[in-house]
Amino acid sequence: DQQVKQNSPSLSVQEGRISILNCDYTNSMFDYFLWYKKYPAEGPTFLISISSIKDKNEDGRFTVFLNKSAKHLSLHIVPSQPGDSAVYFCAAADQAGTALIFGKGTTLSVSS
Amino acid sequence: EPEVTQTPSHQVTQMGQEVILRCVPISNHLYFYWYRQILGQKVEFLVSFYNNEISEKSEIFDDQFSVERPDGSNFTLKIRSTKLEDSAMYFCASTEGQNTEAFFGQGTRLTVV
Repeated sequence: DQQVKQNSPSLSVQEGRISILNCDYTNSMFDYFLWYKKYPAEGPTFLISISSIKDKNEDGRFTVFLNKSAKHLSLHIVPSQPGDSAVYFCAAADQAGTALIFGKGTTLSVSS
Repeated sequence: EPEVTQTPSHQVTQMGQEVILRCVPISNHLYFYWYRQILGQKVEFLVSFYNNEISEKSEIFDDQFSVERPDGSNFTLKIRSTKLEDSAMYFCASTEGQNTEAFFGQGTRLTVV
């Protein structure tokens, strides 16, 4: 069962434009959400997080939006840069907070 | 910047052999995790460890798997009798507390032949 779903396996964006990566979840007990970026042959790197008490969190070019009623979150990257090309994983944790559950990832390609 | 380190980076082993994957979490972190990623698939949770005991484990983490924190710095994953389907990237992660971001190691690529 996929508790965290990233339905788009890939996304291509031009440099300078906005990248929007989407994530849906099914477990209503999730209350903490994170985005990770992963380059080939490296471990996932933490990017940004949001708790369920917020609906938006910004960090520089990265903004995460959370829509609890729709059980949906998205990561916006503005402006996109070629160095952003990587696999992006959405992850969620429940109120017990012990394990992150990951989506399958979306491969972002930013062309110059 | 503190980081999680994993050794070896690549391990090749024969089916049926035991392997131990090693991790050094960030020193002030209290929660430790193992994840794996089979080629082309998603990152899957295996086990979490806190206060010297397993706090949560997934269905994947069967009797062939065990974890240990043998001293104050290392965190190990042992696979007793490896199978071909155990071939994957294994990532160790640690967190300072609950609901804080996890820091991942570079991973160990395990190849079972």
